[in-house]
Amino acid sequence: DTQMTQSPSSLSASVGDSVTISCRASQAIYTSLAWYQQKPGKAPKLLLHGASRLESGVPSRFSGSGSGTEFTLTIISLQPEDFATYYCHQYYNTPIHTFGQGTKLEIK
Amino acid sequence: QVLLVESGGGVVQPGMSLRLSCEGSGFSFSNFGMQWVRQAPGKGLEWVAVISSDGRHKYYRDSVKGRFTISRDNNKNTLYLQMDSLRPEDAAVYYCAKDHDNSGYYWFDSWGQGTLVIVSS
Repeated sequence: DTQMTQSPSSLSASVGDSVTISCRASQAIYTSLAWYQQKPGKAPKLLLHGASRLESGVPSRFSGSGSGTEFTLTIISLQPEDFATYYCHQYYNTPIHTFGQGTKLEIK
Repeated sequence: QVLLVESGGGVVQPGMSLRLSCEGSGFSFSNFGMQWVRQAPGKGLEWVAVISSDGRHKYYRDSVKGRFTISRDNNKNTLYLQMDSLRPEDAAVYYCAKDHDNSGYYWFDSWGQGTLVIVSS
């Protein structure tokens, strides 16, 4: 199975800052990567797919990049509602899907 | 809009069974693959099982193979997860999720609110 490793596991930032979260795949997955946001007690929400394609309704301050084994999620001009946990998900080596372990973004 | 509503969670003893349901609305249920994903308390997301739109293709993570069965009734717009021989490590919030495609091989564009399964003696 393809292992997904996110870094960092947690980070602190302030409103208005920009942050980058990394996700590394144990084998090449081309651009078959999605990012989700999850707030406490809530279901995950799709942010991007195809590594860089923004889901409809998601603010443009979210962006994604990468291909192969290295991917990043960038959030610019952090808003209070952006503090959450973020997960990457590979869907190249399906039907088995795998998620990263999550990155918790906290307010500094 | 797409709505997925899970039900069937609860408290069960190890070795017992439970069946989860997920009713979909706001989309053509029979045209999309469906997934079950779980999240143990304080932990990350863990994919559990997938079923294709027509129900013919089903796949599971290794730790639940032979114990869990995913199924669907397209006439009732409902997805199921039959969980047998439950173990303490199966305790989690179980989410159903809609796949982008009929195969179940893509990203998950809508999620239910989850249903909690507790396995404890």
